[in-house]
Amino acid sequence: SQQGEEDPQALSIQEGENATMNCSYKTSINNLQWYRQNSGRGLVHLILIRSNEREKHSGRLRVTLDTSKKSSSLLITASRAADTASYFCATDAAGNDMRFGAGTRLTVKP
Amino acid sequence: GAGVSQSPRYKVTKRGQDVTLRCDPISSHATLYWYQQALGQGPEFLTYFNYEAQPDKSGLPSDRFSAERPEGSISTLTIQRTEQRDSAMYRCASSLSGGLNEQFFGPGTRLTVL
Repeated sequence: SQQGEEDPQALSIQEGENATMNCSYKTSINNLQWYRQNSGRGLVHLILIRSNEREKHSGRLRVTLDTSKKSSSLLITASRAADTASYFCATDAAGNDMRFGAGTRLTVKP
Repeated sequence: GAGVSQSPRYKVTKRGQDVTLRCDPISSHATLYWYQQALGQGPEFLTYFNYEAQPDKSGLPSDRFSAERPEGSISTLTIQRTEQRDSAMYRCASSLSGGLNEQFFGPGTRLTVL
């Protein structure tokens, strides 16, 4: 069964706009990660946020984590056409395999 | 099988030795990925297979690393002349096919190079 579920399933925006993707999960976690996947490639790790952290930044990426709601969000600011990809969250709970949801397909139009 | 399995779960080796890690994906899954995960970090993509084809191996850190999936099911990852910096968790994942399909990860092999 899936642990992380992203929404929306698809998002289309104009270059320069911000993109927000959400992730919900079901069980307690040690950390939550966001990944990007360009078409035909494996997952590329973007950012990891631990269960005792609430917010983390990396360049144009901002991730929040609300463990009480079992949810996370990924914000990409000032999007670029090169950001077009699928984005996945993944959770890592002790003793469990890390699993990914179906992802959000982001399209950034130039 | 019921899930992705990997063996061995732990491997300790001396610098300079070769190691081979094995991944047994979910039987119906066409796509198989290998990742390297350093402690406290997310997995980093190494390579992947669609059945026996290996379209992308750009993530392999050096020519000491190679992977095979000769019959489109079980895969092996071989590291030759291991170095201490190779110490990491090596994760295999499989999915029905590439793209947006969920990836299922195995438990990983913890490699320690002394």
